[in-house]
Amino acid sequence: GDSVTQMEGPVTLSEEAFLTINCTYTATGYPSLFWYVQYPGEGLQLLLKATKADDKGSNKGFEATYRKETTSFHLEKGSVQVSDSAVYFCALSDKDAGGTSYGKLTFGQGTILTVHP
Amino acid sequence: DSGVTQTPKHLITATGQRVTLRCSPRSGDLSVYWYQQSLDQGLQFLIHYYNGEERAKGNILERFSAQQFPDLHSELNLSSLELGDSALYFCASSPRQTGVGEQYFGPGTRLTVT
Repeated sequence: GDSVTQMEGPVTLSEEAFLTINCTYTATGYPSLFWYVQYPGEGLQLLLKATKADDKGSNKGFEATYRKETTSFHLEKGSVQVSDSAVYFCALSDKDAGGTSYGKLTFGQGTILTVHP
Repeated sequence: DSGVTQTPKHLITATGQRVTLRCSPRSGDLSVYWYQQSLDQGLQFLIHYYNGEERAKGNILERFSAQQFPDLHSELNLSSLELGDSALYFCASSPRQTGVGEQYFGPGTRLTVT
C-alpha cells in the first residue's frame, strides 16, 4: 500500500538557518505530493503541492521538488524564521494512470520544527 | 481560515458514551473526509463521502459511523467510546471527487474520553 516516510525529528534551528526535511514515499500509482503545516492548536494548512515528476511546489519561501527516480519530495527553505515553528507533514494522494485521484491522503509521521531567535 | 468548520472544538465524555462530531465543508465542495490524529497512530484516514455517498473507508472502527447530508455537511458518530478513542478528529473537504488530491482541513475536534 501507499506510505510516506519523513525524517525523524524534532528539528531545532536558529533563525536564518537553512532547512531541509526529508520525505520519501511508496505508491502504486501516480501520486500527487503535498506538504502540510500544523501550527500549535490549529488544523492542517496546505503549504505546497506537486502533481507530477519534476514539478516544483513553492510557497512562502518553502520549496519541494517531485523526484520520481528517488521517490522523494524533500522540503527546503533557505532562511527560516521563528514563525515557521510548527509540525510539517508530507502526504500523498495516489491516482491511477488516467490521472484520477483516489482522494484520501496518506501522511508521514510529521516533523516538529522549532526555530530559535 | 480554510472555510471548513467543525463543531464542537472540544468534547469531554466518559467511556461507553456516544458523541457526534459535525463538519461543514467549504462552499461548493462536494467531498468530505474524516481523519483521526493521535500521538501513537499519527494522522489516519477514516472515511470519505462525496455528495452524500460513501466513497472510501480507511481505518474506521465498526463503532464509528458517518453520514453526509443533502446540504453537504457531515457528521461522524462515535459510540461505545473507549479511552483509546481520545484524539483530534479532523474533517477536510475538496472540490471534486477526483482531481489532484488537495484537501482543506477544519480546525478539528479534540475528543477526550475519561
